[in-house]
Amino acid sequence: DAGVTQSPTHLIKTRGQQVTLRCSPKSGHDTVSWYQQALGQGPQFIFQYYEEEERQRGNFPDRFSGHQFPNYSSELNVNALLLGDSALYLCASSLGPGTSNGGNFGAGTRLSVL
Amino acid sequence: QKEVEQNSGPLSVPEGAIASLNCTYSDRGSQSFFWYRQYSGKSPELIMSIYSNGDKEDGRFTAQLNKASQYVSLLIRDSQPSDSATYLCAVPRTRSNYQLIWGAGTKLIIKP
Repeated sequence: DAGVTQSPTHLIKTRGQQVTLRCSPKSGHDTVSWYQQALGQGPQFIFQYYEEEERQRGNFPDRFSGHQFPNYSSELNVNALLLGDSALYLCASSLGPGTSNGGNFGAGTRLSVL
Repeated sequence: QKEVEQNSGPLSVPEGAIASLNCTYSDRGSQSFFWYRQYSGKSPELIMSIYSNGDKEDGRFTAQLNKASQYVSLLIRDSQPSDSATYLCAVPRTRSNYQLIWGAGTKLIIKP
């Protein structure tokens, strides 16, 4: 039973570029949440997708957008990259929105913006 | 005041001793609480969840919740060098269970 998978594992971009990160939820899960974790900090909630819609959003600018596909997988897009976007991006999946079971996290994508 | 606060550490504990990690939260309506372990460069791993006042034990780990004082703690008995990691406390936002609110984490070092 595959857990949450994220790709790519590492990514290097330059300022102003755009990036797309991908997440496949754990089998049986239909909800995907994205978090950003800067070095030395706890993760920060970006947004959650359920039924192909963004259900809730954290305090992130519109440069951060996402999408969920009919197979429940999800993408996180970041436009006009800034140096401060360098972080570990985490995807968590769960069954149903509004769940508070702690979720299942993928291994993350490490984004470096130069 | 931060919504979830943890001492950043590092907390240094001798091997075999009890490590005690603390977390305070600001939202009195919070109902569930999670402890995660995160090794350097890896993603958080859920190790304990607690929903009711009192203690919850799982192997060498014990989570303690005191809603009146708004703190939750994690005890690690018989600490091992492999327990060296950053421990993160997370609490779902009560207005919307969509979001987990995280502390910054406490770095734990177990000295052989």
